[in-house]
Amino acid sequence: EPEVTQTPSHQVTQMGQEVILRCVPISNHLYFYWYRQILGQKVEFLVSFYNNEISEKSEIFDDQFSVERPDGSNFTLKIRSTKLEDSAMYFCASSPGQGADGYTFGSGTRLTVV
Amino acid sequence: AQSVSQHNHHVILSEAASLELGCNYSYGGTVNLFWYVQYPGQHLQLLLKYFSGDPLVKGIKGFEAEFIKSKFSFNLRKPSVQWSDTAEYFCAVREAAGNKLTFGGGTRVLVKP
Repeated sequence: EPEVTQTPSHQVTQMGQEVILRCVPISNHLYFYWYRQILGQKVEFLVSFYNNEISEKSEIFDDQFSVERPDGSNFTLKIRSTKLEDSAMYFCASSPGQGADGYTFGSGTRLTVV
Repeated sequence: AQSVSQHNHHVILSEAASLELGCNYSYGGTVNLFWYVQYPGQHLQLLLKYFSGDPLVKGIKGFEAEFIKSKFSFNLRKPSVQWSDTAEYFCAVREAAGNKLTFGGGTRVLVKP
């Protein structure tokens, strides 16, 4: 069964540093997403991406965040200057078409900002 | 904005017991409804979904859920749980015209052998 792969599984970074979280979506999927879950809180939508541009983003997804599909296979989330409150589990997902029907989630990257 | 509430944060039960997890949402329009499960150390997996039609939907692993539109609810049930059902369960809602999922807070279920 095809999988969404996320790397690394756990990343520790110092406050103020830039981090890049990587995801390899399922190859024939067209929509890509990032969600995050702060410990003890809900899974929250960050951004959706289609046709090489952001199709929707939440209030959380401010100027510190950016996404990119640099090479046709990877889908990255960059946080420019991490804050303590960015510590969370970040989930990547992809779907073949619009709508959550075919969502496949990755296992997540646990980001710890110290 | 829509919101999703899951009533129980933690549930502990014994094998063979019945399970029901509550989920309510607030949104006046047409929605699609989902239940996801996350086993320890694994990714979110789709258990079942409701888009339209029969409000009683059956999913994988013996789970089912009932959509009650008048109550804005989509409760998950399993008649007889197994130890392997120990996991965290998430209810999620999508506006029918939208793309993103709005999740509930999750319910951790521990099934004692």
